[in-house]
Amino acid sequence: GDSVTQMEGPVTLSEEAFLTINCTYTATGYPSLFWYVQYPGEGLQLLLKATKADDKGSNKGFEATYRKETTSFHLEKGSVQVSDSAVYFCALKNSGYALNFGKGTSLLVTP
Amino acid sequence: EAGVTQFPSHSVIEKGQTVTLRCDPISGHDNLYWYRRVMGKEIKFLLHFVKESKQDESGMPNNRFLAERTGGTYSTLKVQPAELEDSGVYFCASSQDGGRGNTEAFFGQGTRLTVV
Repeated sequence: GDSVTQMEGPVTLSEEAFLTINCTYTATGYPSLFWYVQYPGEGLQLLLKATKADDKGSNKGFEATYRKETTSFHLEKGSVQVSDSAVYFCALKNSGYALNFGKGTSLLVTP
Repeated sequence: EAGVTQFPSHSVIEKGQTVTLRCDPISGHDNLYWYRRVMGKEIKFLLHFVKESKQDESGMPNNRFLAERTGGTYSTLKVQPAELEDSGVYFCASSQDGGRGNTEAFFGQGTRLTVV
């Protein structure tokens, strides 16, 4: 069945460092891909999405490109801030209604 | 506009007791979903309502879990009797249409359930 694998955390970075969180997926067909973020004490929020190969999703300085050849959707940000500290979830949605999530990656950004 | 609201935010119960979680979706959203995250694991789909009907309950772990959505508005998820392995964070989400493809689902803040 469909699945998502993302890098284990926690990831600790200094402010203004470059961020990459790896995400790869296994799925039949052409799924849509998502990154969700959960800030402390809050619910899951959609960060960005891509619906077809080579699409780039972007929001709040974060980017991710849908790479079908490598079945990847890595999350990147050029300069992280303390306020980016959160748990990040990669997810896919295929022909059904449900989202398939990865385990989540905890990010801590220090001043 | 109010988002998806879940009650309670935290619940600590003893093994064997009953707990009922509630979710109020965004007004006008016919589709409502329950998910669960057990510590250190993926967020897993539990079930999907379209209005008051269960569209897909393939993710429900066993018959100790009962979800309802009377009148197609708020939903409840009852665990009876609770077991230790039921501990985790239960998320509710809603969407305006069926959610196929790229339609966004909006999530609540989750209910953290601890069974001791």
